[in-house]
Amino acid sequence: DSGVTQTPKHLITATGQRVTLRCSPRSGDLSVYWYQQSLDQGLQFLIQYYNGEERAKGNILERFSAQQFPDLHSELNLSSLELGDSALYFCASSPGDSNSPLHFGNGTRLTVT
Amino acid sequence: TQLLEQSPQFLSIQEGENLTVYCNSSSVFSSLQWYRQEPGEGPVLLVTVVTGGEVKKLKRLTFQFGDARKDSSLHITAAQPGDTGLYLCAGAESGGSYIPTFGRGTSLIVHP
Repeated sequence: DSGVTQTPKHLITATGQRVTLRCSPRSGDLSVYWYQQSLDQGLQFLIQYYNGEERAKGNILERFSAQQFPDLHSELNLSSLELGDSALYFCASSPGDSNSPLHFGNGTRLTVT
Repeated sequence: TQLLEQSPQFLSIQEGENLTVYCNSSSVFSSLQWYRQEPGEGPVLLVTVVTGGEVKKLKRLTFQFGDARKDSSLHITAAQPGDTGLYLCAGAESGGSYIPTFGRGTSLIVHP
């Protein structure tokens, strides 16, 4: 058990809809990362938060947004969903120090129909 | 954008065989991690290497970081079915935010 909790585990929705994915980091970790994993692209970095502030952005679409709340949990919002957004979405946390390894949750599998 | 190339992409072997998987990049990394991911789960950290030329051992797994800190290898001795999974390497460049970039992984199947 990594200590990182992601909900829901599975999500099936239709094109054009909006969903929210939730992540609770490991106790004491200040940094939260979101990654998208698909068969053809592998694990792609989306966005990072540190202690409530956005720290780095990767290949995140404008239809996607995220935030980290004062209790350090994070949410990833995906809107105007397209078939191509179907993927595994992982949250990972770390203490925030450089070179600290990431601890991953078990992901949310999103299927857009 | 840094790119991590992992090879081979797929590996199917018999129990007891040895294997090596590779992770290569043109970028220099401040650190490199190896993770293993099983179906339905998130990647789990195996090891972090930091120093060029560093060798770390974890039971039957041996990890090596290249002298120039651009590449790494993972060697498994006497593979077992429990070693089956997706092996991912991840590296981050020094300076700025710590953002690990992942390779696409090596999918290993060990047959009993």
